[in-house]
Amino acid sequence: DADVTQTPRNRITKTGKRIMLECSQTKGHDRMYWYRQDPGLGLQLIYYSFDVKDINKGEISDGYSVSRQAQAKFSLSLESAIPNQTALYFCATSAGLAVSYNEQFFGPGTRLTVL
Amino acid sequence: GENVEQHPSTLSVQEGDSAVIKCTYSDSASNYFPWYKQELGKRPQLIIDIRSNVGEKKDQRIAVTLNKTAKHFSLHITETQPEDSAVYFCAAPITGSARQLTFGSGTQLTVLP
Repeated sequence: DADVTQTPRNRITKTGKRIMLECSQTKGHDRMYWYRQDPGLGLQLIYYSFDVKDINKGEISDGYSVSRQAQAKFSLSLESAIPNQTALYFCATSAGLAVSYNEQFFGPGTRLTVL
Repeated sequence: GENVEQHPSTLSVQEGDSAVIKCTYSDSASNYFPWYKQELGKRPQLIIDIRSNVGEKKDQRIAVTLNKTAKHFSLHITETQPEDSAVYFCAAPITGSARQLTFGSGTQLTVLP
């Protein structure tokens, strides 16, 4: 089945370390997203990309960067991790059709802990 | 997100009763309103969505209603079952953006047997 996968699923790191979270999809979707989930705060958009040459900041992009290496891959980097970046991170994809919005399909999530 | 307010944050109902979750949004130009369900330890999944050209949409025991004048939309779950227990998120387009969604803060629904 076509799916969205994330690696790693869990990661513990130390303050100041650089870390990369990776997302791959076999759905053939053009649009990809990175979200952060904190308890009681819902899902906050970090970055999104509508094709390989398109990168856009979301609501909370400070401290993060992304790379869209190919249609199927979208990586999130924390250049210098800090404890308040401890959270559950989700990648998502959606089809790039004529309408602006379509169903988003989420990956399984990466639980990141910054000590 | 600041564009979407979701209430209540927690909701407990008896099995078989109905549950209603409400979201308000700020941008009158918004035209797409999805609802996602996230079971414990799982990824969010779309359960129903509505576009602004209709006022109500149903899918078996779930329905979404949209009031464009009042700028709010609601999720209705009838004949609730234990497997409906989860966190539910609404979403709406971010003000001024044609390409992003902002999510509500979530409602923890517990269906009591």
